[in-house]
Amino acid sequence: QKEVEQNSGPLSVPEGAIASLNCTYSDRGSQSFFWYRQYSGKSPELIMSIYSNGDKEDGRFTAQLNKASQYVSLLIRDSQPSDSATYLCAVNILSENNRLAFGKGNQVVVIP
Amino acid sequence: EPEVTQTPSHQVTQMGQEVILRCVPISNHLYFYWYRQILGQKVEFLVSFYNNEISEKSEIFDDQFSVERPDGSNFTLKIRSTKLEDSAMYFCASSEYRAGNTGELFFGEGSRLTVL
Repeated sequence: QKEVEQNSGPLSVPEGAIASLNCTYSDRGSQSFFWYRQYSGKSPELIMSIYSNGDKEDGRFTAQLNKASQYVSLLIRDSQPSDSATYLCAVNILSENNRLAFGKGNQVVVIP
Repeated sequence: EPEVTQTPSHQVTQMGQEVILRCVPISNHLYFYWYRQILGQKVEFLVSFYNNEISEKSEIFDDQFSVERPDGSNFTLKIRSTKLEDSAMYFCASSEYRAGNTGELFFGEGSRLTVL
């Protein structure tokens, strides 16, 4: 089983709509969860971190964590063309000195 | 705003040559990392470095790779004898606290390595 899985293909959403991204992870001991945004050809940029079950909101972004089900999600409300990017889920691997493992990412395309 | 800087932004080298990629982490950060991303693939962990020693490394980080903090500011990744499959974007990152333990990673802009 992959450490961090992001399975859905490119997501196209109309401007103003909600984009919903999901991520599952395999290490039950994981405690820290992050969403990074990566524009094409650029480096990952942290947009959200979440450490406890439930929702965490920051502006138009909401991260949701369910440790029992081992999934993390990201909602982008009122999607803007500037949100078009690849979103990477990252999770700490407790058994390996807490290194961060990344999923392959979900591409989001916001259509004006 | 403090940032992680990397040089060079792009390096082209012949197979078998040595390459050194340089990074200047954020000044008050204590944990340093190298990740790589092959075109179209996920970001892969290579190595973490703390207190002047490697704290974790992946299977990718074999004997051909080494890291060093030669002075108080630079953090380097050396590839001794490059292979075609080393072609990738290499990202340096740093964090104030240990990443994954509430430590948030800040990435540099990357060094694109092309091995011919």
